[in-house]
Amino acid sequence: AQTVTQSQPEMSVQEAETVTLSCTYDTSESDYYLFWYKQPPSRQMILVIRQEAYKQQNATENRFSVNFQKAAKSFSLKISDSQLGDAAMYFCAYLRGKLVFGKGTKLTVNP
Amino acid sequence: KAGVTQTPRYLIKTRGQQVTLSCSPISGHRSVSWYQQTPGQGLQFLFEYFSETQRNKGNFPGRFSGRQFSNSRSEMNVSTLELGDSALYLCASSRVADNEQFFGPGTRLTVL
Repeated sequence: AQTVTQSQPEMSVQEAETVTLSCTYDTSESDYYLFWYKQPPSRQMILVIRQEAYKQQNATENRFSVNFQKAAKSFSLKISDSQLGDAAMYFCAYLRGKLVFGKGTKLTVNP
Repeated sequence: KAGVTQTPRYLIKTRGQQVTLSCSPISGHRSVSWYQQTPGQGLQFLFEYFSETQRNKGNFPGRFSGRQFSNSRSEMNVSTLELGDSALYLCASSRVADNEQFFGPGTRLTVL
């Protein structure tokens, strides 16, 4: 069965700085999707960024970018110029048939 | 375009009762998935419906069931509620199966 591991239960960053959240996954499949979702205290799950496994180029969405290492089964999220509104739980997720989530990383942004 | 909507947002039930939760996907989306979120177990997949057919199912007891209507709206039912069913139930929709999913605000179920 596929598993997703987020080894950092909590992280903190200073406003305007850069932070990287780690994620590793286990699968025997070659074709799948990876996602980072953000869940603020309001509980609404928001899609931050997606990566198709067949694409070698790392996905980027404004201040958010990923480092996708397929062979190492690693999918980290980099947040640049951190803002107070970035504070939330961040979930890494694997999709092939169904979404499998990691346990999440709680990100705190300090002013 | 309106997002995924879920009703009700909050629900309080007692053990042994049953409950039905509703999810309306984004217009044009044909796939609806359900997830249970608890502090202890995290986010767990319940089931996915696509074109009124259950396409995938997670490891939950038969007390958890769902269905999808021709307009892609979906309902989830939990019978004989247990205290451990207290959770945030999230619905997500996607245009087709095996594609990026967009989540609704969730239904917070409390079982007393």
